[in-house]
Amino acid sequence: DTAVSQTPKYLVTQMGNDKSIKCEQNLGHDTMYWYKQDSKKFLKIMFSYNNKELIINETVPNRFSPKSPDKAHLNLHINSLELGDSAVYFCASSQGWSRGYGYTFGSGTRLTVV
Amino acid sequence: AQSVTQLDSQVPVFEEAPVELRCNYSSSVSVYLFWYVQYPNQGLQLLLKYLSGSTLVKGINGFEAEFNKSQTSFHLRKPSVHISDTAEYFCAAADQGAQKLVFGQGTRLTINP
Repeated sequence: DTAVSQTPKYLVTQMGNDKSIKCEQNLGHDTMYWYKQDSKKFLKIMFSYNNKELIINETVPNRFSPKSPDKAHLNLHINSLELGDSAVYFCASSQGWSRGYGYTFGSGTRLTVV
Repeated sequence: AQSVTQLDSQVPVFEEAPVELRCNYSSSVSVYLFWYVQYPNQGLQLLLKYLSGSTLVKGINGFEAEFNKSQTSFHLRKPSVHISDTAEYFCAAADQGAQKLVFGQGTRLTINP
């Protein structure tokens, strides 16, 4: 079973559309994250949730809205998509930060806005 | 705030040669350090991590890294690389108690036969 799974793997859509990316982890982790990887491979954190509570929101446009219905799921909804939103979006989870477990990553969702 | 610098954006080496990928972090407080590998079109996989204790950390696939507090460095090494090691490598750091992991810019390791 995949530990952190994201759907869809690829997403091609037109500017102005609204889309969602789903993430689920079966590791029993408390904390989940969304990272954005740009065309130069740079990884930047967007959001973090701990037990369904938002704990990090890094200067992300409010067109991006995370939703965590339970601690095993963290979805990302994007409104009014723009060309600059094209990137690979990674979901990740961690056991407990104070123990330094690091993250387990999903395989990514490649979003292309045309 | 923590920041991470990977000093080389690309490192080409010949197969079976040794390699070192360099990483420096900014914070002088207690820090956790990680190396991740990303194979083409895949997610990130943890290679190794330093939390405390011995400064030499061994990871998967024959990689190791050395924590150097005075140099604020965490360089990754492998004594003999294989074609299959071709990938993007990311160094990451977090201050203890911080909620997020900060990544470096990545180093593309290319192995030539």
